[in-house]
Amino acid sequence: ETGVTQTPRHLVMGMTNKKSLKCEQHLGHNAMYWYKQSAKKPLELMFVYSLEERVENNSVPSRFSPECPNSSHLFLHLHTLQPEDSALYLCASSQDSSVQPQHFGDGTRLSIL
Amino acid sequence: QKEVEQNSGPLSVPEGAIASLNCTYSDRGSQSFFWYRQYSGKSPELIMSIYSNGDKEDGRFTAQLNKASQYVSLLIRDSQPSDSATYLCAVSSASKIIFGSGTRLSIRP
Repeated sequence: ETGVTQTPRHLVMGMTNKKSLKCEQHLGHNAMYWYKQSAKKPLELMFVYSLEERVENNSVPSRFSPECPNSSHLFLHLHTLQPEDSALYLCASSQDSSVQPQHFGDGTRLSIL
Repeated sequence: QKEVEQNSGPLSVPEGAIASLNCTYSDRGSQSFFWYRQYSGKSPELIMSIYSNGDKEDGRFTAQLNKASQYVSLLIRDSQPSDSATYLCAVSSASKIIFGSGTRLSIRP
């Protein structure tokens, strides 16, 4: 496999469920990102990891919890989400820092019931 | 003021014509500028990057950067129906990338 792979592609969950989104990159990049994309809104940066260390957390609610066990894998753990959290969640990676172009996965379409 | 601003469109252009997409940004210290294309239901795909003032051409695409005016644009020559998508402008500022809301481009036959 090449590029950035996200699973699952679609996820429907209730507000009390716990689930995780997974991202894997095969590009040898050192930085990974989580974005949220809602309808008619800009991409919102949620978290940035560089060399497995979190370097940015853009005031994201604690019901979203990221995990980066190594430079190739990134998780987003979800717990007690709200209906307004329904969106497309995109993972991206870049070579070393956010000034480099980013390569995106296909995203997970999340729906909260 | 939004940090990265784009006209949401839709911008309708006849097939074969030049499509012109514009983006303004607020941070004068911005260093890197990117254009991404996003088809409906798909993820953003990088199509152009530009780092210095002037024009940069790649096939049918030309990116133009004017740092004094804080303006970056994307020209698409000989527009094709396959160019119909949302185009996202992204600007790197203070070590993070900020995206505009995107311009929806529609190429009509």
